[in-house]
Amino acid sequence: EVQLVESGGGLVKPGGSLRLSCAASGFTFHTYGMTWVRQAPGKGLEWVSCINGGGNYLYYADSVKGRFTISRDNAKNSLYLQMNTLRAEDTAIYYCVRGPDVEPTKFYFDSWGQGALVTVSS
Amino acid sequence: QSVLTQPPSVSGAPGQAVTISCIGTSSNIGAGHDLHWLQQLPGTAPKLLIFANKNRPSGVPDRFSGSKSGTSASLAITGLQAEDEADYYCQSYDSNLRAWVFGGGTKLTVL
Repeated sequence: EVQLVESGGGLVKPGGSLRLSCAASGFTFHTYGMTWVRQAPGKGLEWVSCINGGGNYLYYADSVKGRFTISRDNAKNSLYLQMNTLRAEDTAIYYCVRGPDVEPTKFYFDSWGQGALVTVSS
Repeated sequence: QSVLTQPPSVSGAPGQAVTISCIGTSSNIGAGHDLHWLQQLPGTAPKLLIFANKNRPSGVPDRFSGSKSGTSASLAITGLQAEDEADYYCQSYDSNLRAWVFGGGTKLTVL
């Protein structure tokens, strides 16, 4: 069974930093692309960042480019999101999401974690 | 505004059928990029419902079906059940934005 378990969420002040982790199990981690998708309270879904199976192709939404860094450790079956210079508008549930390791135009989100809440407030 | 446009809400009685539309542009759906659908039950994480326009993952009932034509796509749900009450999102890739994009979501109410 595919399992994705996020950790590292919490309350942080504007301008602060936070690092999210996602522990993956139940599948061959390095053969899948991984993504972070967020959902602000009461709002829709927003793609944040994506990394391919080998970890050499990284993609970011304009809203987080230059502030967030995605990475993965295939030896530890783990995905990470380093979030710096956080803003109030980054407040959201952050989901760790798996997808097939295919070209971007065909990529989709086939398994989701339960999410980690990040609250940016003074 | 979301890149993909969905109606905010739809409703139907148990046993009836509903359709949810997803309208895009020439840089996403119209460019031939795959369109996918997600279901989010209240208080839970989203779940993949349809991938690559019309394919159902294992375990998704055949009451759910997807189609795509031109710059738009549709999700059809037949034989509505109370447990279908959820938010539904369409998702694709946009070549101009170089980003994965979602619709704004449609809330399905089973009357």
